[in-house]
Amino acid sequence: SQTIHQWPATLVQPVGSPLSLECTVEGTSNPNLYWYRQAAGRGLQLLFYSVGIGQISSEVPQNLSASRPQDRQFILSSKKLLLSDSGFYLCAWSSDNSPLHFGNGTRLTVT
Amino acid sequence: RKEVEQDPGPFNVPEGATVAFNCTYSNSASQSFFWYRQDCRKEPKLLMSVYSSGNEDGRFTAQLNRASQYISLLIRDSKLSDSATYLCVVNRNTGGFKTIFGAGTRLFVKA
Repeated sequence: SQTIHQWPATLVQPVGSPLSLECTVEGTSNPNLYWYRQAAGRGLQLLFYSVGIGQISSEVPQNLSASRPQDRQFILSSKKLLLSDSGFYLCAWSSDNSPLHFGNGTRLTVT
Repeated sequence: RKEVEQDPGPFNVPEGATVAFNCTYSNSASQSFFWYRQDCRKEPKLLMSVYSSGNEDGRFTAQLNRASQYISLLIRDSKLSDSATYLCVVNRNTGGFKTIFGAGTRLFVKA
């Protein structure tokens, strides 16, 4: 069966520091991969999605970037965090036209 | 206007009640439909897919009306543990494959 791993679960970082969140999927090949952010009490905002290695689409202009160095690995990064980057970050995977399956999420607090 | 719209609620119902949520989508090219459940500070989890003929899973019934472009979720005999946010989700493949999340409907079930 397919599983998705996301880490760390929580993170507290100072403003201006770098960020790297990692997500890996097991049990499937060539998945669609996604990074979402959810602010407190708000809906899900799609940040990036990828349909293959090295293929990244950005949904909104922002302080973040994403990379997919391997088929089942998706990384979210920032060179310098802003206070507004705080939120709940969720990685997800899917096959075309199938429902998304989410990782457990990373709660990021930028101080 | 958002592509997927839900009443944000909250819906406050007593245990044992029947509650219904509706969701409308604006893109007639939408192909597949789902309901997710999200508990506070947790990742969204797939509750059920929604099929054209309607489908039932225990106390939960989902229906799709393509002509009117709405999806519904009915919960019978509500339990305290049903308290959560319910997200309506739509997949479409126009201009690239996309998954669109509604902002969610908050449900509180009280003893």
